[in-house]
Amino acid sequence: AQTVTQSQPEMSVQEAETVTLSCTYDTSESDYYLFWYKQPPSRQMILVIRQEAYKQQNATENRFSVNFQKAAKSFSLKISDSQLGDAAMYFCASFHYGGSQGNLIFGKGTKLSVKP
Amino acid sequence: KAGVTQTPRYLIKTRGQQVTLSCSPISGHRSVSWYQQTPGQGLQFLFEYFSETQRNKGNFPGRFSGRQFSNSRSEMNVSTLELGDSALYLCASSLDPGLAPEQYFGPGTRLTVT
Repeated sequence: AQTVTQSQPEMSVQEAETVTLSCTYDTSESDYYLFWYKQPPSRQMILVIRQEAYKQQNATENRFSVNFQKAAKSFSLKISDSQLGDAAMYFCASFHYGGSQGNLIFGKGTKLSVKP
Repeated sequence: KAGVTQTPRYLIKTRGQQVTLSCSPISGHRSVSWYQQTPGQGLQFLFEYFSETQRNKGNFPGRFSGRQFSNSRSEMNVSTLELGDSALYLCASSLDPGLAPEQYFGPGTRLTVT
């Protein structure tokens, strides 16, 4: 079964500094996608960034970037120049075509606090 | 383009009752997925609908059911509510998982069962 593990329940970062959130996953599939979602206290889940497994290049979206290590099944999220608005729960998720479609598998999440 | 909308946003029900939640996907999106979010279990997949057909179902009892209409709007129903059904129910839409698997979430419906 596919699993996603986020080993850091909580993280804290100083405003304007950089923080990295960790995620590992397990799959036997070769075709899959990985995502990071952000869920602010208002509860609306927002897609932050996506990575296609067949692409070696790490995805980047403005201040957000990933370090995708396929062999190690690791997918970390780096937030640069952290802002107060980055404070939220961050969920790592995987999507697999080989098994069930329409099914995101989520990690337990990392609660990120940003200190002014 | 309007985002995913869910109604109602909050619900309080009593054990044994049933409830229906509604989700309107982003215009043009044909796939709708439902997730249950609780502090203890995290985010768990309930089911996914595409073109009015349930394509995938998570490990939930038969009390949880859903459907999708021809305009892609979806409803989920929970019958004989239990205290453990108290959760945030999230709906997500995607264009077509076969083309673009990213899902876009609604604000959720907070269900409290007393």
